[in-house]
Amino acid sequence: DTEVTQTPKHLVMGMTNKKSLKCEQHMGHRAMYWYKQKAKKPPELMFVYSYEKLSINESVPSRFSPECPNSSLLNLHLHALQPEDSALYLCASSQDWGSNQPQHFGDGTRLSIL
Amino acid sequence: AQSVSQHNHHVILSEAASLELGCNYSYGGTVNLFWYVQYPGQHLQLLLKYFSGDPLVKGIKGFEAEFIKSKFSFNLRKPSVQWSDTAEYFCAVTRTGFQKLVFGTGTRLLVSP
Repeated sequence: DTEVTQTPKHLVMGMTNKKSLKCEQHMGHRAMYWYKQKAKKPPELMFVYSYEKLSINESVPSRFSPECPNSSLLNLHLHALQPEDSALYLCASSQDWGSNQPQHFGDGTRLSIL
Repeated sequence: AQSVSQHNHHVILSEAASLELGCNYSYGGTVNLFWYVQYPGQHLQLLLKYFSGDPLVKGIKGFEAEFIKSKFSFNLRKPSVQWSDTAEYFCAVTRTGFQKLVFGTGTRLLVSP
């Protein structure tokens, strides 16, 4: 079992809906990440939070809005998504941003946009 | 462009065969190297990592990898694969001072019983 918990595991939404993906870790990690993974492709970094502050936004469209309420939680708010946004969304955490410690990944949320 | 390359996209082996998956990166300077595995329907798991020291690193489940700096390579090996090793394998790299984790395109391994 992974130590990074993501909910929901599956999400189907229309293009006008608003939904949120949630991620939680209790390893005391101070860096948390969102990745997008399309089928048969490697994960692509979307956002990095370090000490609850947004450190990196990889030019992600504003219809994706990350939030880090505290050091254990990471949300990804979704609004007006497009069909091409259908993918597996992975959350990860690591001890620190800028260290060489490995990232731990959650199971992901499989998102389908109708 | 700086990148991570995995030249074998699909590999099919019989049980007990030896495995070597290639990984090359094009970054200069000090790098940190990782191999992750993604079993069907499961999350990405760390197999092994290299930061410094002995270039031959051993990971979980009998896997090992060798860092060859002169070749910019970090190939993954296992002497004898099992059916349960069927999965997708990703090589990934970070650079000291630039910690974004960059993944290779992945190698899909199928082990037939």
